[in-house]
Amino acid sequence: AQTVTQSQPEMSVQEAETVTLSCTYDTSESDYYLFWYKQPPSRQMILVIRQEAYKQQNATENRFSVNFQKAAKSFSLKISDSQLGDAAMYFCAYRSALNYGGATNKLIFGTGTLLAVQP
Amino acid sequence: DTAVSQTPKYLVTQMGNDKSIKCEQNLGHDTMYWYKQDSKKFLKIMFSYNNKELIINETVPNRFSPKSPDKAHLNLHINSLELGDSAVYFCASSQDQGAGETQYFGPGTRLLVL
Repeated sequence: AQTVTQSQPEMSVQEAETVTLSCTYDTSESDYYLFWYKQPPSRQMILVIRQEAYKQQNATENRFSVNFQKAAKSFSLKISDSQLGDAAMYFCAYRSALNYGGATNKLIFGTGTLLAVQP
Repeated sequence: DTAVSQTPKYLVTQMGNDKSIKCEQNLGHDTMYWYKQDSKKFLKIMFSYNNKELIINETVPNRFSPKSPDKAHLNLHINSLELGDSAVYFCASSQDQGAGETQYFGPGTRLLVL
């Protein structure tokens, strides 16, 4: 079974600085997707960025970028020029690209990293 | 304009009661999901439906029964509520079952069982 591990329960960053959130995962599959979701205090789950495992190029979305290391099974999220609105819980998630018993449907989440942004 | 909506947002009830949470999406998606987020913020899939057909039932007690009257709705009915059912329940939807499809989440329903 696949697992996702976020080893940093909490992180803090100064406004305008850069922070990196760690995520590792365990899988025997070669084809899958990885996601970072943000959950602000409003509870709404918002997709930040996603990465296809077959793509070597790291995904970027404005101030958000990932460092995807497939061999190391590592998928870290870098937030540049941190803003107060970035303060939230961040979840890393895995999704298989295989389709057996609907396995592709479910997102497998890590335990989250709570990011505080200091003004 | 809300893409995925859930009602109610908050639900406080007594142990042993039966309650329902409704979910609707106006995105025209084929696939819908229920996730449970426990007190430690851990999120886990409960159910998945595709075109009203149950795809995933992730070892959830029989007291939980999802119902999908049409593609746009996936309701969650919970019988004989227990203290351990207290959690935030998220509905989500995606265009289809494709692994790369983004899942869009509702605002969550916070359930408190007393």
